[in-house]
Amino acid sequence: NAGVTQTPKFQVLKTGQSMTLQCAQDMNHNSMYWYRQDPGMGLRLIYYSASEGTTDKGEVPNGYNVSRLNKREFSLRLESAAPSQTSVYFCASTRWEGSQETQYFGPGTRLLVL
Amino acid sequence: QKEVEQDPGPLSVPEGAIVSLNCTYSNSAFQYFMWYRQYSRKGPELLMYTYSSGNKEDGRFTAQVDKSSKYISLFIRDSQPSDSATYLCAMKRNTGTASKLTFGTGTRLQVTL
Repeated sequence: NAGVTQTPKFQVLKTGQSMTLQCAQDMNHNSMYWYRQDPGMGLRLIYYSASEGTTDKGEVPNGYNVSRLNKREFSLRLESAAPSQTSVYFCASTRWEGSQETQYFGPGTRLLVL
Repeated sequence: QKEVEQDPGPLSVPEGAIVSLNCTYSNSAFQYFMWYRQYSRKGPELLMYTYSSGNKEDGRFTAQVDKSSKYISLFIRDSQPSDSATYLCAMKRNTGTASKLTFGTGTRLQVTL
């Protein structure tokens, strides 16, 4: 049981390049999320997917697109990277135990846009 | 003004000390409160989950919620060097199929020998 996995771990892009961040979970969770973490800003929600086939915008969706490929996989795409998108990106999925919801996070992708 | 305010620290304490970490929030719609621990270069992991005002204890950790003051705390007793991490508070408005969390910026804690 690998939990939430993310690829790549680290990426350097030039301004204007595109890339896709991959996320997969093997816990059969319905909901999945993409966050970015910046110094002094905390974790901010980019997009989320309540269930397979649905996606919704979070707090900071501009410049990003997502695809919920199936129940396991949720990808984040940067179509034209900008230096402001330099950040650490975390994917998460949610498990419910009774009334308690736990978000499980992946190890993160560090992205540097030059 | 941010919805959730958290002192970034760093907070340095000697081993064995009692640690108090705090968050304040402005939106009274928040009903569920969490504390996540994040080690350096790792993803956050859930430490405590609370709903109502009052205290919840789990081992050396106690989470406290005061909805009337819009204030939450995490206490760590007998702190250990392994507790050195960033602690993030998080909260949400309601439960549902996909809950959007609002996070504090995190407090960096260093427990020294």
